[in-house]
Amino acid sequence: AQSVTQLDSHVSVSEGTPVLLRCNYSSSYSPSLFWYVQHPNKGLQLLLKYTSAATLVKGINGFEAEFKKSETSFHLTKPSAHMSDAAEYFCVVSGGGRRALTFGSGTRLQVQP
Amino acid sequence: DTAVSQTPKYLVTQMGNDKSIKCEQNLGHDTMYWYKQDSKKFLKIMFSYNNKELIINETVPNRFSPKSPDKAHLNLHINSLELGDSAVYFCASSQITGGSPLHFGNGTRLTVT
Repeated sequence: AQSVTQLDSHVSVSEGTPVLLRCNYSSSYSPSLFWYVQHPNKGLQLLLKYTSAATLVKGINGFEAEFKKSETSFHLTKPSAHMSDAAEYFCVVSGGGRRALTFGSGTRLQVQP
Repeated sequence: DTAVSQTPKYLVTQMGNDKSIKCEQNLGHDTMYWYKQDSKKFLKIMFSYNNKELIINETVPNRFSPKSPDKAHLNLHINSLELGDSAVYFCASSQITGGSPLHFGNGTRLTVT
């Protein structure tokens, strides 16, 4: 079985300050982990993925995430928020085989000017 | 070039009607999916097809019937629409089932009145 928990449903930051979106996962297998972003009225876009290579994963738009097996976490960070980062962010886990990806409940990131 | 395209973008219909949503991908992927996103942004897998074979069929009312004429197309037909079917439906594809990232369409917003 696999599951993912996004610890914050809503995060608000000021433009230019760091972003931290938290995600914990559970998987019976060595997981693949992803972060997706969804802008209003749009589809989901892949930000980055972890597939058992380097534990620090760099993605698009300056985002990165660190896989910590001991903490079962895969938090998403960005050093400096931009107004265009305001969106819904989803942490996703895959347990391998033919299992579909399991999505977290999402974190809405608000960026204040 | 649009990688995953779904039509229509918006669909407004009355209870009891039958409607279809079409999806096509030009990425050469073997696996396609339908996800439902509710009003709270929660994404839930409905179906998954691998090379025209149904491999995931979650607990979905049998009023929903997917059809895959070939591996580049996965359509969703819904009979006897109900108010609770109102949601955004996303088509997605991936190279293989399991740990591959998903490529999403822009969604179809279905409103049942």
